[in-house]
Amino acid sequence: EVQLQESGPGLVKPSQSLSLTCSVTGYSITSNYWGWIRKFPGNKMEWMGYISYSGSTSYNPSLKSRISITRDTSKNQFFLQLNSVTTEDTATYYCARSGPDPYYSSWGQGTLVTVSS
Amino acid sequence: DIVLTQSPALAVSLGQRATISCRASQSVSISRYNLMHWYQQKPGQQPKLLIYRASNLASGIPARFSGSGSGTDFTLTINPVQADDIATYYCQQSRESPTFGAGTKLELK
Repeated sequence: EVQLQESGPGLVKPSQSLSLTCSVTGYSITSNYWGWIRKFPGNKMEWMGYISYSGSTSYNPSLKSRISITRDTSKNQFFLQLNSVTTEDTATYYCARSGPDPYYSSWGQGTLVTVSS
Repeated sequence: DIVLTQSPALAVSLGQRATISCRASQSVSISRYNLMHWYQQKPGQQPKLLIYRASNLASGIPARFSGSGSGTDFTLTINPVQADDIATYYCQQSRESPTFGAGTKLELK
């Protein structure tokens, strides 16, 4: 059974970069597609992007200038970096798995990231 | 962006049918594929996939959940509603860059 677990700082200062890791067990990230989704206070959900089995990426156009998703296949981990964060980036961040059609059948438990000085 | 519109809340009685709707600002169907999906989320938990491509039941999901629709109008039905179904339900489209609806909170009447 695939399991995903997010990790990273829970507090980030404005203008800095947010960096999260998703550790995957039970399934190789060299198969399928691996995404990041966030849920804001107030419950709005936003798809951020994914990295594919081959390492190609796709990003939400609204984030394209600030976001990077990378991976380490030797550790079976993938990563989110979001630059120049503001308080509006405060959210619970989820990593998740999909097929080529990006609907998500497996999710991590989520990690709350607060952007505050 | 394709905007998905859901009613904020729906009150139902246990044992009754709940019908949750999602309307897209443009068609999310391609050929025979209806690229709308449904999730359930309870407080403090991650979302759970219920229905994919409008009408396909995800693995391990009880048969009291069903989905229908095409084009711009989609429906998630729970029949009969059980206490464990009290949660927020989100639709999500994958026709273009994925977007989510704002969620419908299912409440007990």
